[in-house]
Formats: sequence, C-alpha cells, structure tokens
Amino acid sequence: KAGVTQTPRYLIKTRGQQVTLSCSPISGHRSVSWYQQTPGQGLQFLFEYFSETQRNKGNFPGRFSGRQFSNSRSEMNVSTLELGDSALYLCASSLGGGRSYEQYFGPGTRLTVT
Amino acid sequence: LAKTTQPISMDSYEGQEVNITCSHNNIATNDYITWYQQFPSQGPRFIIQGYKTKVTNEVASLFIPADRKSSTLSLPRVSLSDTAVYYCLVSEDSSYKLIFGSGTRLLVRP
Repeated sequence: KAGVTQTPRYLIKTRGQQVTLSCSPISGHRSVSWYQQTPGQGLQFLFEYFSETQRNKGNFPGRFSGRQFSNSRSEMNVSTLELGDSALYLCASSLGGGRSYEQYFGPGTRLTVT
Repeated sequence: LAKTTQPISMDSYEGQEVNITCSHNNIATNDYITWYQQFPSQGPRFIIQGYKTKVTNEVASLFIPADRKSSTLSLPRVSLSDTAVYYCLVSEDSSYKLIFGSGTRLLVRP
C-alpha cells in the first residue's frame, strides 16, 4: 500500500504571498491531520479533517485553513505568509473511525518564507 | 490548557532497556495516549498507544498509571537504529486539541 504523499516537498515563498500544500492519504484512510514542525515550537497540531469536515482545530490564526475532498485528499492553505511560517508541514492520515491516534505521516513539505 | 513535559535527551547503550516518561496534565479522560518516533528528515512514526495500565506490542510497552498524569514508553534492548526523537501525543481535556510533547532525543551508543 502506498504511504502518505505530500507535494511539493520543498517550497520557497515571499512574505505576503499565499501557499497551498497537498496531501494524499493512504488508501482507505478517511482522516487527515496537519501539523507544523519548527525547531522552536516543536510539533504543533493545525487541524484534522474527516469525511470532508473539519473535526478538530489547533491554535493557529485564520490565515491557516484547509479542506478535504471526497477522495480524502487534503489541501492546506496559508495566506499572507510571514517569516515565522517557515517550517516543515506534516500531513498524517488515519482510518479515523474512533479516537485512535494511530496516524501515518508523510515526509512533509519544507516551506521557507523569505 | 494541557501541558506535557519530556526529558530533552537520554543516552543509552545497545541492549539496554530505555524508559522515557512524559508528564501530562489536563488531558482528555477518555482519549488515548500515543507515542511516536521520528528520524531526521522523516515524518513521525507511530509506536504505541494506550488508554490505561499497560500495553505491549512487538516493539515497545507503554505504562499509564491510574491518574493518567504521566505515561512511560519502554523500549526493550535498544539498538543503534533506535537513535531518534520520541514524542508523546495527548489530547486536551474538553477541547480535544492534540498536543505533542517537546520530544526526547535518544542516543544509543555501541
């Protein structure tokens, strides 16, 4: 079974721009979660989508948004980029039926904001 | 707000047992406590999860006391390939926001 894939793997953007990251979950997985990882703040939860609905959300500003499509693929958007948004953005998928947090992570998208 | 605390780093030798503890308060009473392993340039990898008492799988054990204010990941007979960062993951009481611990960097020496 193919693992979680994320595109692009690397991205360089300028302050003020917006960016869209994509995540394809493992086949059959209906939940997709997004995380931001930085050396200073560690792993921080952004949001979780299940069956096209946002089921949970972390403490990030409204500039961070996401969506999930009917095939469970998910996109994350960051508008009006700031230097502090430079990070590794990780997507994780899971079956999603219960409250299990057995998630499978993709390799991440490394975003650099200049 | 839920808060987690993990040791920043630990050293061990091949063949030893390693126990990594995560302290957590204000976590959801009915949610799993989960542990992940992360190697450089990779996403975290699921190790084990549990709700209470003890859970064991083929790679690790997880001990959770009755008050659920901490959890201990136990790695039996570590090898060099277990050198990685280990994270606990909990959910916050009421909001169920997911909180990762700050991570424990384990170095296994020959």
